[in-house]
This record gives sequence, C-alpha cells and structure tokens, in this order.
Amino acid sequence: AQRVTQPEKLLSVFKGAPVELKCNYSYSGSPELFWYVQYSRQRLQLLLRHISRESIKGFTADLNKGETSFHLKKPFAQEEDSAMYYCALSWGQAGTALIFGKGTTLSVSS
Amino acid sequence: KAGVTQTPRYLIKTRGQQVTLSCSPISGHRSVSWYQQTPGQGLQFLFEYFSETQRNKGNFPGRFSGRQFSNSRSEMNVSTLELGDSALYLCASSLRLASPGELFFGEGSRLTVL
Repeated sequence: AQRVTQPEKLLSVFKGAPVELKCNYSYSGSPELFWYVQYSRQRLQLLLRHISRESIKGFTADLNKGETSFHLKKPFAQEEDSAMYYCALSWGQAGTALIFGKGTTLSVSS
Repeated sequence: KAGVTQTPRYLIKTRGQQVTLSCSPISGHRSVSWYQQTPGQGLQFLFEYFSETQRNKGNFPGRFSGRQFSNSRSEMNVSTLELGDSALYLCASSLRLASPGELFFGEGSRLTVL
C-alpha cells in the first residue's frame, strides 16, 4: 500500500544551522513526490516537487529510490522557515490525488 | 487571481445530521479535490472531480459524497454525521494534467459534530 512517513513531529534548530526534514515513502510504481508547507495563519502551499529538481527558498530535495526517501534540506535555516512541512506522494488517475505524511513542525530560533 | 474559496468556514452540527460544504476553485482550474484533516490521521484524500466526473476516490465510507458543477464549483456532502467526522475539510484546485500534484488549497471548512 502507498504510504508516506515523516518520522519527526517536531524539529527545532537554531538560525543558521542546517536542516533536514525526513520523508520515506512506500509505493509500487514510479513515484511523484512533493513537499508542501503551511506557514502560520496561511494556506497549505506547494514548496517543491522532485521532477523539477529546483531549489525554492534555499530548500532542495532529492529522490532516492534505493532508500525510498525524499528528504528536504536547507544548509542554513532562517527564522521565517518556521512552519509545518508535509511530504506527499501522488497516485491515481493523472496523479492528482495526494497521500500526505503527518507533517513535521520546523521551529527555527535565534 | 482569486484563490480557492470555501464556505462555510465554520459550522457545528449534531450526530445524525448531514452537511454540505462548498468550494469555488481558482478561475480556469477544472480539477477539484477534497481532503479531510484531523489531528490523529492528518491529511487524507477524499475524492477528486474533473469535468464534473469523479476521477479518484479515497478510502472513505459512502456517507461522504461530492459533485462538481459545469462551472467547476464543487460541493461535498456528509450524511448521518458521526463524532469522528469532526475535522477541517480542505478543498484544492489544480490544472490537473498541466501540473499534476500541484494543488492550490483553500482555507478549509471546520466542521464540529456534537
């Protein structure tokens, strides 16, 4: 069965420290993976997707099919990065149904 | 461009009642999907509609249903409400085939069942 696991509920780091939010998935096909973010009092929004291989707000994520992981990384955390982060896997017709992990709260303090 | 709009934002119902939630997608988006968010289960996919047809369905009982109108607006209905249906119901729209997996979310409708 398809599943997305984010092992950490909360990750606390200091400003300027590196960040790695972990995501592991289980999927029998060829996965399409995403990171969504929800800042305080804002809507859930797409941060990045693996097929784009892009860096958004300094964040990158690499799909590792061998380890079935899609960890989100940033070399130097900023206070404005504090938010809830969700890893998601697409499935279904046209790949528009998403399975979300339970999310990791990132707290960056000065 | 206006974002995804959901109404009502908050509502309280009692067990056994039914509820209808509404979602207006971003202009030009023809795909609308619904998610249930609870503290225990997180975000769970309910169903997706595209061109008035249900294209994908999550693992929810038949009490949960939805529909989409020709203007892409969508409604979801929950009948015979149970306490466990208390949740934030999120609607999302997308361009579907152009950007699969890129969803634009509304603020949600928070349902409390007493």
